Amino acid sequence: QVQVVESGGGVVQPGRSLRLSCAASGFTFGNYAMHWVRQAPGKGLEWVAVISYDGSNKFYGDSVKGRFTISRDNSKNTLYVQMNSLRVEDTAVYYCARDWSDHVLDYWGQGTLVTVSS
Amino acid sequence: SYVLTQPPSVSVAPGQTARVTCGGNNIGSKSVHWYQQRPGQAPVLVVYDDSDRPSGIPERFSGSNSGNTATLTISRVEAGDEADYYCQVWDSSSDHYVFGTGTKVTVL
Repeated sequence: QVQVVESGGGVVQPGRSLRLSCAASGFTFGNYAMHWVRQAPGKGLEWVAVISYDGSNKFYGDSVKGRFTISRDNSKNTLYVQMNSLRVEDTAVYYCARDWSDHVLDYWGQGTLVTVSS
Repeated sequence: SYVLTQPPSVSVAPGQTARVTCGGNNIGSKSVHWYQQRPGQAPVLVVYDDSDRPSGIPERFSGSNSGNTATLTISRVEAGDEADYYCQVWDSSSDHYVFGTGTKVTVL
């Protein structure tokens, strides 16, 4: 069955960096665009970034553009997000999700918590 | 940037019908998708392309979209439907994905 599992979350100081990973299984990873979506504690969903199936196109939400970089390794069925210059307001659960068709996110992981605090 | 507005909360008695709205400028020209998020869990897709249901989603969940408002309708509400619901569209003018503000559905 389709499964995506995030990892790499933790506590980090403001201004530092962190890289999250998302391991995919149960489908042909290289055929699908993939997303990162985050949710701050007690808040709603916020789209972070998307990468095309082959990694050639990437788009970012305004709040992370220039600080976060989405990437993928189709040989390892893994999605990444490199998060630099982290801010307190980046504290959130980060979800990885598959883009099915017509820009629908059909499968989501359980998320990994990133806490930015001094 | 494109904005989607939802009511913060909707309350409904068991067996009744809950309607969750999602407002956006000319949203009727876009495809709207809906997600259910139970407490402590990841979001789950319940309606896509305005009114289609993924496999495994009960027929009680339906959707519509016209003008400036999209609506998720939950018929014969059950206790297990208590959750947060989010609408989502893709904004082609910016290549951004946009989520609504979210609605907490409470089953009385």
